[in-house]
Amino acid sequence: QKEVEQDPGPLSVPEGAIVSLNCTYSNSAFQYFMWYRQYSRKGPELLMYTYSSGNKEDGRFTAQVDKSSKYISLFIRDSQPSDSATYLCAMSAGSPGRRALTFGSGTRLQVQP
Amino acid sequence: DAGVTQSPTHLIKTRGQQVTLRCSPKSGHDTVSWYQQALGQGPQFIFQYYEEEERQRGNFPDRFSGHQFPNYSSELNVNALLLGDSALYLCASSLEGGVGEKLFFGSGTQLSVL
Repeated sequence: QKEVEQDPGPLSVPEGAIVSLNCTYSNSAFQYFMWYRQYSRKGPELLMYTYSSGNKEDGRFTAQVDKSSKYISLFIRDSQPSDSATYLCAMSAGSPGRRALTFGSGTRLQVQP
Repeated sequence: DAGVTQSPTHLIKTRGQQVTLRCSPKSGHDTVSWYQQALGQGPQFIFQYYEEEERQRGNFPDRFSGHQFPNYSSELNVNALLLGDSALYLCASSLEGGVGEKLFFGSGTQLSVL
């Protein structure tokens, strides 16, 4: 069993929809939780960064972390065709700059105009 | 402000050959990490360099080695290439001890082993 599980999709939604992306994990030592967006043939781009449990909002994006359930989510409101990409969850047991990140396998999202 | 830059962008090698990939970290960053991303998978941690020393290593064989230079740039070397080494190799940088330090990735080097 992988340490981080993520539904690979693809997930197809109409423009303007609310998108929900999720990851589950098994390592209770994880404290830092991130969401990266990756366009085809590009490197991952950091979208959201959360320490421990709770919610964090940034524009159309909201990240939620529930450590008791070992479950994290990313919500995208008013989705746009430009949001079409692969979304990777990532987590680490220590500061992301010092410790290895463990990634999910990514969810491919397609937003239809 | 230049982000993380990697070279080359694409590379084709044959089995058994050796390859060197290069990375310049984001301006002001001093820590470099390397990840391997196979097609359809998330990135996997190879190793991390800080102060020219390998600080942490993932589950990769000794064929994978690296180096960090005094200007914080880094190289990833892979010897005796296997078909399974075909992947996108990503370099990421961060600032040691930075407030809420975060990891920023380059666009990667696509390595194809034939």
